[in-house]
Amino acid sequence: EPEVTQTPSHQVTQMGQEVILRCVPISNHLYFYWYRQILGQKVEFLVSFYNNEISEKSEIFDDQFSVERPDGSNFTLKIRSTKLEDSAMYFCASSGTGMRNTIYFGEGSWLTVV
Amino acid sequence: DQQVKQNSPSLSVQEGRISILNCDYTNSMFDYFLWYKKYPAEGPTFLISISSIKDKNEDGRFTVFLNKSAKHLSLHIVPSQPGDSAVYFCAASDSGGSYIPTFGRGTSLIVHP
Repeated sequence: EPEVTQTPSHQVTQMGQEVILRCVPISNHLYFYWYRQILGQKVEFLVSFYNNEISEKSEIFDDQFSVERPDGSNFTLKIRSTKLEDSAMYFCASSGTGMRNTIYFGEGSWLTVV
Repeated sequence: DQQVKQNSPSLSVQEGRISILNCDYTNSMFDYFLWYKKYPAEGPTFLISISSIKDKNEDGRFTVFLNKSAKHLSLHIVPSQPGDSAVYFCAASDSGGSYIPTFGRGTSLIVHP
């Protein structure tokens, strides 16, 4: 069964460092997303991406965040200068054209900022 | 502003019995609803969805009921199994607007053997 894959599964980084989280969405999907879940809190939407541009973003997705689809398969989330409060599980997700609001998640990348 | 609310943080059920997970929403534009299941340290897994044109959708042991007038939906799992123990998230979206699902805070279901 097709799935969304994410790397790394866990990353520890120093405050102020740049982090790139990588995702390979389901191959025939065209809509891509990043969500995050801070420990004990709800799953929060960060950004959606379609046709090589951001289609929607939340207020969490400020200037320190960026997304990119550098090639035909990868979808990345970059955090420019990490803060302690960026520690969370980051989920990549994708959806197809037929049912674009049914999104399928990856296993997550656990980011710890120290 | 919580547009999707899951007011019960946890639910404990005996194996073989019915589990009922509830969800309320406030945005009347929501017309598509989803349930996800999440194990610790894993991503949410899509379980079942329902469109606002229906009031019930069934898939095996899982049934979702939608009451549009009350802005309420519920997920029924019957019979419950220990492997169902997980956090269940309700999500809702507006197909005509921002189709991106908004999630509730989740309900932790524990099914006792």
